[in-house]
Amino acid sequence: DGGITQSPKYLFRKEGQNVTLSCEQNLNHDAMYWYRQDPGQGLRLIYYSQIVNDFQKGDIAEGYSVSREKKESFPLTVTSAQKNPTAFYLCATRDRGTVDEQFFGPGTRLTVL
Amino acid sequence: GESVGLHLPTLSVQEGDNSIINCAYSNSASDYFIWYKQESGKGPQFIIDIRSNMDKRQGQRVTVLLNKTVKHLSLQIAATQPGDSAVYFCAENESGYSTLTFGKGTMLLVSP
Repeated sequence: DGGITQSPKYLFRKEGQNVTLSCEQNLNHDAMYWYRQDPGQGLRLIYYSQIVNDFQKGDIAEGYSVSREKKESFPLTVTSAQKNPTAFYLCATRDRGTVDEQFFGPGTRLTVL
Repeated sequence: GESVGLHLPTLSVQEGDNSIINCAYSNSASDYFIWYKQESGKGPQFIIDIRSNMDKRQGQRVTVLLNKTVKHLSLQIAATQPGDSAVYFCAENESGYSTLTFGKGTMLLVSP
């Protein structure tokens, strides 16, 4: 998992509530990504950011929001507009200056009750 | 742990066998490919990568083969061990784009 921290590991929320997932990195990587993973499916891109104060929608951005105020942090908010938020959420980083490989955090399992 | 393997294609092998995991990719313009390993409840870990100017690359106990003609990627694991049991994903990237496209994954089960 390297220098990527996701907290908490398990998160529970009531239907209709917004919740924010944390992702912090000390790798000094410029790019950060959020993915959603459901059983039997690959990783699907929610949002990504290549530089501070800038971010782009991925394939499934509806019902989610992000911010990138600091290089080290890329929090993801799951809003009440997300119809099926229960999933495993993964944060990743990439060093744009060198390689294309993405490094992943340990993930957060979100369950909506 | 996280049940990411539910409904995934599964490859079952015996300890000591060689394993071959396959992946078909979709974008003929992709020029960089990665294999990741994901253990239950954890984030994916990098295994090996290959660029499109190569057709084979070897690491420690792993080999990746790339066939651009049929857009096919394979991961070979030699002398498979129980610790290799995990879900394996391939991912592709096209130069100039900062995102990866992931395959659905294959679960590898290694019996002692």
